[in-house]
Amino acid sequence: GESVGLHLPTLSVQEGDNSIINCAYSNSASDYFIWYKQESGKGPQFIIDIRSNMDKRQGQRVTVLLNKTVKHLSLQIAATQPGDSAVYFCAEIISLGGYNKLIFGAGTRLAVHP
Amino acid sequence: DTAVSQTPKYLVTQMGNDKSIKCEQNLGHDTMYWYKQDSKKFLKIMFSYNNKELIINETVPNRFSPKSPDKAHLNLHINSLELGDSAVYFCASSLLAGGSQETQYFGPGTRLLVL
Repeated sequence: GESVGLHLPTLSVQEGDNSIINCAYSNSASDYFIWYKQESGKGPQFIIDIRSNMDKRQGQRVTVLLNKTVKHLSLQIAATQPGDSAVYFCAEIISLGGYNKLIFGAGTRLAVHP
Repeated sequence: DTAVSQTPKYLVTQMGNDKSIKCEQNLGHDTMYWYKQDSKKFLKIMFSYNNKELIINETVPNRFSPKSPDKAHLNLHINSLELGDSAVYFCASSLLAGGSQETQYFGPGTRLLVL
């Protein structure tokens, strides 16, 4: 079946610390992965993506790591700020005969404390 | 400027009623989507339209009927609302339907509560 990140855990961090959010996916055929951030009362917002031919990609304060061997993704946020508090979703793109389907994980809530 | 907009933001209604949610995108994208997010924050695709043509139709009750009058709009009509329909419904759009790097942009969501 389709499953990406079955749980909704909460990660609590102190402001200024680094955060690591993990995600497991199950579809070996997926070749594109995305992290989304969803703030309270808002829609998911694109953060960073990675192709399956890469194992690491960096953005501004964020890094995504992909381990295809164990089907694992992680999102690292450096110097976490209160504005980073949100639910974070990993998602994989599954291609269906020329059309894409986005499969979301269950999400991780990040709580940043001052 | 709002890229993907939805109306209404909140919708409270009685069981058995029929309601519609509207979505518009001004990004010039060809593909639009409807997602449902349940109380546990799980997001699942319901429908996808490419240039007004239905391309993805998940296992959704036929009480839900999407309609795309043009490629900038995708509306969702729900007949005979049930308690289990209570959720947040998100509209999204992407430039293309296929291609391995198509980012989807989401609207702010419509919070539906069925009493």
